[in-house]
Amino acid sequence: GAGVSQSPRYKVTKRGQDVALRCDPISGHVSLYWYRQALGQGPEFLTYFNYEAQQDKSGLPNDRFSAERPEGSISTLTIQRTEQRDSAMYRCASSLRGTGDTGELFFGEGSRLTVL
Amino acid sequence: GENVEQHPSTLSVQEGDSAVIKCTYSDSASNYFPWYKQELGKRPQLIIDIRSNVGEKKDQRIAVTLNKTAKHFSLHITETQPEDSAVYFCAASRGYSSASKIIFGSGTRLSIRP
Repeated sequence: GAGVSQSPRYKVTKRGQDVALRCDPISGHVSLYWYRQALGQGPEFLTYFNYEAQQDKSGLPNDRFSAERPEGSISTLTIQRTEQRDSAMYRCASSLRGTGDTGELFFGEGSRLTVL
Repeated sequence: GENVEQHPSTLSVQEGDSAVIKCTYSDSASNYFPWYKQELGKRPQLIIDIRSNVGEKKDQRIAVTLNKTAKHFSLHITETQPEDSAVYFCAASRGYSSASKIIFGSGTRLSIRP
């Protein structure tokens, strides 16, 4: 596609349920990042991949959060046993370049998660 | 861990005046410093970046300066216009040397008064 695509755009779930958020990066982009953005705050780093390899997951809040990118393209962020504090905008971003270089991040429109 | 602090959190300037946003970073290995602009309801977009081997970079009305010794960098917008109203985020990354985790500041909401 022309840009980074995320789905669902909006997700309302009940506390305790699992959710899966999907990111489809720009074709050919090597790096894929996940961020969480609270209203009025900056993007909070969660994890990132180069190709299918998860390079850094130090930002994942706890073991309920996990991410994968099995074929080096589409990525899924999974939150198990959701809690109200997980409510936020989850943004995916992709970058053309891989490890050892930086490049512009292209953000998706985000998935807004609300946990009741 | 790595941290990026940004201030002020809000800034209001008269149209035509200049605006300055400042950031400090904690990781001395950081060598790449991008700035992103996020308009209301939209996604963040890169407006300018600077690498640690230069002290200043300019693009039309926007300039960034970097002081590696003090570990701080700034965004300067001159001749501000209404379309400059947005939230601006600074960020820092190790870039070339190792893993490219990019840490963002908390943002500055810039308002341009007509």
